[in-house]
Parts: sequence; C-alpha cells; structure tokens
Amino acid sequence: DIQMTQSPSTVSASVGDRVTITCRASQSVSNWLAWYQQKPGKAPKALIYKASSLESGVPSRFSGSGSGTEFTLTISSLQPDDFATYYCQEYNSYWTFGQGTKVEIK
Amino acid sequence: QMQLQESGPGQAKPSETLSLTCLVSGGSISSRSYYWGWIRQPPGQGLEWIGSMFSSGSTYYNPSLNSRVTISVDTSKNQFSLKLSSVTAADTAVYYCGRHRMIRGRLDVFDVWGQGTLVTVSS
Repeated sequence: DIQMTQSPSTVSASVGDRVTITCRASQSVSNWLAWYQQKPGKAPKALIYKASSLESGVPSRFSGSGSGTEFTLTISSLQPDDFATYYCQEYNSYWTFGQGTKVEIK
Repeated sequence: QMQLQESGPGQAKPSETLSLTCLVSGGSISSRSYYWGWIRQPPGQGLEWIGSMFSSGSTYYNPSLNSRVTISVDTSKNQFSLKLSSVTAADTAVYYCGRHRMIRGRLDVFDVWGQGTLVTVSS
C-alpha cells in the first residue's frame, strides 16, 4: 500500500504570506497526485490534479509541483478564504489521502 | 449543475450493516466520463476512500475494507448505494458520496461531492 505523508501538520500564517505544504509518497506515484481544500463542516474541494494542473475556477495563487515521491502545494499570497485544511491524494494505485495540513491564522 | 445528496440512517449498531444512498441530480449517473464513489472521514480525522463504481457495474474497493463493502448503482433512480457490513465504532464517520472523474481512462479526483452524512456506530 502507498502511504502519503504531509508536512507540516499545521502551518500558522498571515494574510499575504507564501505558504508551502509538502506531500511525500512511500513509493513513486509518477505525477498522479491531487490536492483538495476542506473547510470545517464542508466537503472537500478539488484544487489541483496531475500534480500541477489547476481545476477550473481555482485561483491562480494556488500551484502544485513535483513528481515521483515528493510534491508541494504553494499558495503564493494567502487570502482570508484560504484558511482551511489541505489534503493530497495519490491516484497511481488506489486513491489514498494524506493526513491533512491545517492552515491557521497566525 | 450536478448535485449529490446522501441519505440513510444516522446510527448503526455494532455488527450490523450500514446502508447509505446517494441521489444524483442535474445529470445522468450513466455518463461514460465518471465513476461514482464513497469517501469517509472519522470525526476530527482525515479522509479515506471507500470505493468507486461505474454505471456498468465495474467496481474498485479499498483493500482494507474490501471484504465488508458493496457499492451498487440503480440507473433507473439515478442513485448509487453503499453497504458496509459488520460495523464497529471505528466506522463512525461522516460519509461522503462523490463523482469520481475519469480522464483518458484514469480515475483522478472527486470533482463533485455530497454534503456528507454522519453515521454513528453505537449500541
């Protein structure tokens, strides 16, 4: 089974900050990786697929990169609406999620 | 715009079978571009994919749940269902249904989600 590990578990940041979240896979998933955003009490929302492709309607301040076993999600300038929990998900084998990274207000 | 809505009992007893249904509106469940799946999230924890199914009956199940999971589709009612047998307290979670997108034959993201329904397993 592929394990997905995100770091950090929590990041404290201010509006306007650049935020980077890392996701590591226990074995290569090529570029078959997605990122989701989840707000409290709501369903997740897909942000990025195929490691770096932006879903329709997602602001361009979100970007993804990486391949193989290491991936990053970057928010270039954090906005108030971006405080949420972010999950990576591989789809090279099954559809395994990382444990999540909470972006909180500093 | 497509919408998904979960329904079913909010409680289940240990050792019993949890049953949920997801009604799809605003589009056909028989679309050849999508599978239909279930994801769950225990309170305060992360997401776990349960399984996904195509309208023709093709299924993928999480290996850790495979022996207890059945997903079925009713195209006449435009809905799909989840059955999880022999439940324990560890199965307490918010259960989401979702549209599982297929691009060039590969399932990638869940691009439409239901609002989720909490199922508590308790005697």
